[in-house]
Amino acid sequence: GAGVSQSPSNKVTEKGKDVELRCDPISGHTALYWYRQSLGQGLEFLIYFQGNSAPDKSGLPSDRFSAERTGGSVSTLTIQRTQQEDSAVYLCASSLKPGLFETQYFGPGTRLLVL
Amino acid sequence: KNEVEQSPQNLTAQEGEFITINCSYSVGISALHWLQQHPGGGIVSLFMLSSGKKKHGRLIATINIQEKHSSLHITASHPRDSAVYICAAYLISSGSARQLTFGSGTQLTVLP
Repeated sequence: GAGVSQSPSNKVTEKGKDVELRCDPISGHTALYWYRQSLGQGLEFLIYFQGNSAPDKSGLPSDRFSAERTGGSVSTLTIQRTQQEDSAVYLCASSLKPGLFETQYFGPGTRLLVL
Repeated sequence: KNEVEQSPQNLTAQEGEFITINCSYSVGISALHWLQQHPGGGIVSLFMLSSGKKKHGRLIATINIQEKHSSLHITASHPRDSAVYICAAYLISSGSARQLTFGSGTQLTVLP
């Protein structure tokens, strides 16, 4: 299992509930990225980690969204009080280091549906 | 207006045809990526470039910094090339040097 893994692969939740999405990057990758792909829309940057710190949280759409990374490895993206507009595929990617020309390896995504 | 624009939005080609997908951006960039999203949703990075041209197999990516334009070419296209192709750029104007701004993607279908 050398690739980026994400869980759950699918999540259906009711409006107002909190959800946690998990990303396991490739071992040894120091940079980790979260993206969102809404239906019919392009990819959107959410947040980026270097090690355990997030130098850039500018893409998070609201204060209901938060993310953390522990041990320089696993990251969780938490959405509180979910809204229907949060329905999307949430993608995680990792790269060996945070350079402009570093290949980002994408996980399969978590499909979130908020009813 | 999106800062990274792609054309065409949809492209249908016959097997063997030469394909070009275009990406233009409105501000200065540090680097540009081309990605491929398979029908199942998986995304693969194809190229990263900031100048000139790169080639990998039947795929060629070019960029013209002055014209703020990049192209992805596929030679001798094959049905397995059918996918969404996405360009993404690190915009110098963005708040973060690590924030990719994505184009809306080009859906390519190659018919046998």
